[in-house]
Order: sequence, then C-alpha cells, then structure tokens
Amino acid sequence: NAGVTQTPKFQVLKTGQSMTLQCAQDMNHEYMSWYRQDPGMGLRLIHYSVGAGITDQGEVPNGYNVSRSTTEDFPLRLLSAAPSQTSVYFCASSYSQGREPQHFGDGTRLSIL
Amino acid sequence: DQQVKQNSPSLSVQEGRISILNCDYTNSMFDYFLWYKKYPAEGPTFLISISSIKDKNEDGRFTVFLNKSAKHLSLHIVPSQPGDSAVYFCAASAIGGTSYGKLTFGQGTILTVHP
Repeated sequence: NAGVTQTPKFQVLKTGQSMTLQCAQDMNHEYMSWYRQDPGMGLRLIHYSVGAGITDQGEVPNGYNVSRSTTEDFPLRLLSAAPSQTSVYFCASSYSQGREPQHFGDGTRLSIL
Repeated sequence: DQQVKQNSPSLSVQEGRISILNCDYTNSMFDYFLWYKKYPAEGPTFLISISSIKDKNEDGRFTVFLNKSAKHLSLHIVPSQPGDSAVYFCAASAIGGTSYGKLTFGQGTILTVHP
C-alpha cells in the first residue's frame, strides 16, 4: 500500500518552462488537494478536487492548473514557471472533504531559476 | 491575513518533560482542528484532531486542548522523546462556507527534544 505518491522528488526549471507534478493515491480517496510550503508560511492550498471531474481553487491558485480524470490521479501543472513558484509542493488525499485527516505525499522540491 | 498562527517558531525541551505547542486562530467558523508532525524530506503526518464540540482529546502521549472562547488550542506531549523532534503544524477547517473542508495551516513550530 503506497499511499500518496508524488513524482518527481526534485526538479529545477528555467523561468517560462512548463511542467507537471504528478500525484497518485491508491486508497480510493475522493478528496485530493495540492499545497505549497514556503518558509515561515506553513502550507497553503493551491487547488483541490472532491472527486473525478470536479476541481476548485484554493488560496493560491494563480499560475497553476489541475485536472482530475480518474480517482487515483491529480496532476498539478505549472503553465509558465516563475521564480515565485520555487517551493515544496505537497499532494494530499482523504476519503471525503471535511472531518477527515488528509494523507500527504513526501513532496516535490521545485526550484525555478 | 494569517487565520491560524503558531507564534513560537521553535521549542526546546528535555527528554521526559512535557512539550506544549500553541496555536491561535481568528476565524470563528473553524470547528475542526488537527495537528500534523513533519520530519525533514517527508510529508506531514496526521497526529491528532479535535472537534469544536470537545475541549480535550487524548491519544497516548498526545493531548490536544481547545479553548473556543480564546480561539486557542494547544498540543501537549508527555513524556517527550527525542523521536518527537520535528516540525509541528496546527491546521483548521470550517463546517461551512467557503472554507468548508479546506485546511488552513499555521506556520509550524520546530520541536527539539534533547536526550
């Protein structure tokens, strides 16, 4: 049982490049979400999904795109990378939205030069 | 504006003593609170939670206290162990409105337990 798997673990991009951070869970969780962690700011919600085909914006959605075509996968796309997007990105999942602790992946450390 | 605040960036405690981590919130719609623990290069791991209908929840060495009138919660670890050394995040979610089910995190507190 792998839980929440994120790939890659590390990535360096140049400004303007695009990339997709992958997130997959094998727990049949309906709710999935993406956070970014920056020094001194805790984790901030980027986008979330309550089920396949349904996504919505979180606190800091600008510059990011998501889709949810299957229950298992929830990729995060950076359309045109900017240095301000240098961060550690975490994907999380839970059975439902609400009174459910979320399970987190181990993160993707992204640097934008 | 930071709706969940952990005002102590770090805490140092001797092994065997009590660790008390604090968290304050401003959004009165928050009614479910969680603590997560995070080791370097790993994702946060759920530790313990509390609903607003309670003022205390215990799980082994970990106890969370909620003071709704003060909008304050705390995590007590007794006794503290070196393996407890990690970053602890407080998080909150709301029962309804635009914050329903979304976690709002504090900045984190680095706990160091010395042998």
